[in-house]
Amino acid sequence: KAGVTQTPRYLIKTRGQQVTLSCSPISGHRSVSWYQQTPGQGLQFLFEYFSETQRNKGNFPGRFSGRQFSNSRSEMNVSTLELGDSALYLCASSWAGMDTEAFFGQGTRLTVV
Amino acid sequence: ELKVEQNPLFLSMQEGKNYTIYCNYSTTSDRLYWYRQDPGKSLESLFVLLSNGAVKQEGRLMASLDTKARLSTLHITAAVHDLSATYFCAATVAGGTSYGKLTFGQGTILTVHP
Repeated sequence: KAGVTQTPRYLIKTRGQQVTLSCSPISGHRSVSWYQQTPGQGLQFLFEYFSETQRNKGNFPGRFSGRQFSNSRSEMNVSTLELGDSALYLCASSWAGMDTEAFFGQGTRLTVV
Repeated sequence: ELKVEQNPLFLSMQEGKNYTIYCNYSTTSDRLYWYRQDPGKSLESLFVLLSNGAVKQEGRLMASLDTKARLSTLHITAAVHDLSATYFCAATVAGGTSYGKLTFGQGTILTVHP
């Protein structure tokens, strides 16, 4: 059974640019959550999608957005990148998102220069 | 707002010794999770604890949950070098409205040396 796949694995962008990250969940899983991991702030929840609907959102500015497609694949977009957006972005997939076990992808390492 | 705190944040252990990582959470939670992360890698699910008194064991690791004390522990028995990693606990808000949101502790960096 394939795990959670995130692409790309590494990304270098310039301040002011925008970026799109992709996450393909485990087959059959309908919930995808996104997290930002930094040394200073740790793991912080960005948002969760289920059946193409955003059900939950963390405390991040509007520059961070996402969407989910009918096949449950999800994308996350960050516009007007700032240096502080440099982080490991992890997505997690679960069957339902409501207190069911979440499995994480390998992450996308974003560096903003 | 749910807050999760782990201690210690750094743990240096000798091989063969036992130790416990503690995870406290601030409000009622439905579920408690333990994850392991190796440097530069993703999070690997270790345990999911679903109810008060739950105890789960896998190899040298054992996790338990006390919902009344809002405390979970991860006990390491006879540590070996392969256990060196960062361990996170995470919780969800009770009531089924957390919708995929895990609140993580700060992580415990475990180093096992000879």
